[in-house]
Amino acid sequence: AQKVTQAQTEISVVEKEDVTLDCVYETRDTTYYLFWYKQPPSGELVFLIRRNSFDEQNEISGRYSWNFQKSTSSFNFTITASQVVDSAVYFCALSEKNNAGKSTFGDGTTLTVKP
Amino acid sequence: DAMVIQNPRYQVTQFGKPVTLSCSQTLNHNVMYWYQQKSSQAPKLLFHYYDKDFNNEADTPDNFQSRRPNTSFCFLDIRSPGLGDAAMYLCATSGTGYGYEQYFGPGTRLTVT
Repeated sequence: AQKVTQAQTEISVVEKEDVTLDCVYETRDTTYYLFWYKQPPSGELVFLIRRNSFDEQNEISGRYSWNFQKSTSSFNFTITASQVVDSAVYFCALSEKNNAGKSTFGDGTTLTVKP
Repeated sequence: DAMVIQNPRYQVTQFGKPVTLSCSQTLNHNVMYWYQQKSSQAPKLLFHYYDKDFNNEADTPDNFQSRRPNTSFCFLDIRSPGLGDAAMYLCATSGTGYGYEQYFGPGTRLTVT
């Protein structure tokens, strides 16, 4: 069975601070994908990044970076120099090859960036 | 722009009165999903379609039904809404097969009075 844990329910930072959102997953499958989605107050989930289980390279996209470590089953997300517009709920999700491609979502982390 | 559209954005219905939520997409994706999301919770998958192949989650109540008349459209029918069905309902699409990201609509906020 697949499971995603986002231990941080809420995080509050001041603008320009760096912040890391943690994601830990459980799977018995050797082939899987991990995702991060952003859900701003408007409600629409927006895809941010996808990583497959065979690619542990970290990725950077502007102020966003992702650290995938299979050894610790973690896929953490860091926002550098946070901005008020980063305020949202962030979901980590896991999709196993043997689970018909369905995604299991973590409970989300609510990030508040204060000016 | 290609997108996922949900109508209406807000729906108020009475306890026990059937309601239908709609979703359309211009992405030409084969897979469509319906999620229920309650406040401060993760989206919960209700069912999904691979093309016209319907897949119901084991814990989805019988009160929830779905129709997909063609690739572009998908409907969620709640036959007898209860107060516990008040939630945000999210429609999403993805490419066929595992590992594809999902594209979400803006959601329909359902209120049951």
